[in-house]
Amino acid sequence: SAVISQKPSRDICQRGTSLTIQCQVDSQVTMMFWYRQQPGQSLTLIATANQGSEATYESGFVIDKFPISRPNLTFSTLTVSNMSPEDSSIYLCSVGGEGNEQFFGPGTRLTVL
Amino acid sequence: GNSVTQMEGPVTLSEEAFLTINCTYTATGYPSLFWYVQYPGEGLQLLLKATKADDKGSNKGFEATYRKETTSFHLEKGSVQVSDSAVYFCALSRLGSYIPTFGRGTSLIVHP
Repeated sequence: SAVISQKPSRDICQRGTSLTIQCQVDSQVTMMFWYRQQPGQSLTLIATANQGSEATYESGFVIDKFPISRPNLTFSTLTVSNMSPEDSSIYLCSVGGEGNEQFFGPGTRLTVL
Repeated sequence: GNSVTQMEGPVTLSEEAFLTINCTYTATGYPSLFWYVQYPGEGLQLLLKATKADDKGSNKGFEATYRKETTSFHLEKGSVQVSDSAVYFCALSRLGSYIPTFGRGTSLIVHP
């Protein structure tokens, strides 16, 4: 299994600003994933981040809005840009396990006013 | 495409009651099946998994059996506790894919 930490755990932001979320894993992994969980909803995959290449975004998510960095095999960041109240969600990072399972960080709870 | 359907919540039970949360899936091939649990204010944790037909996954008193004939993976527990109150997500993942398909989640509320 992998131990994943995220910073910040929560934040309240003003519309129009940006927030960068950090994700740290305790072991080297090839792929890291970023999810959004809107209130009372399931998880939606935002993008897959591979070290040394551009992130792969899912339909409905674009790099200008959610830029991702992956500088090494244990760390990634997701930025939520030009925020609006609709961006209020829990943002989760995860990594894959050997049995196709996923290990998740504790999440970042974002409220945009 | 792949999809996972879970029973709608919330499911409200008294302590020591029997729990069933239904999950059915649609997928090509033979996916792996998972149950994840999300406790209040936390991220998702893997609860149990099964990788082939008739496998039974179990953990913390929870069980689920991979039923290929009914394309189901229902979660059960014989006697729930207040501490089991959480949201439970059923998910599937195709062989070689790290990207699961999640159900909508089922909220479980257990009263003392």
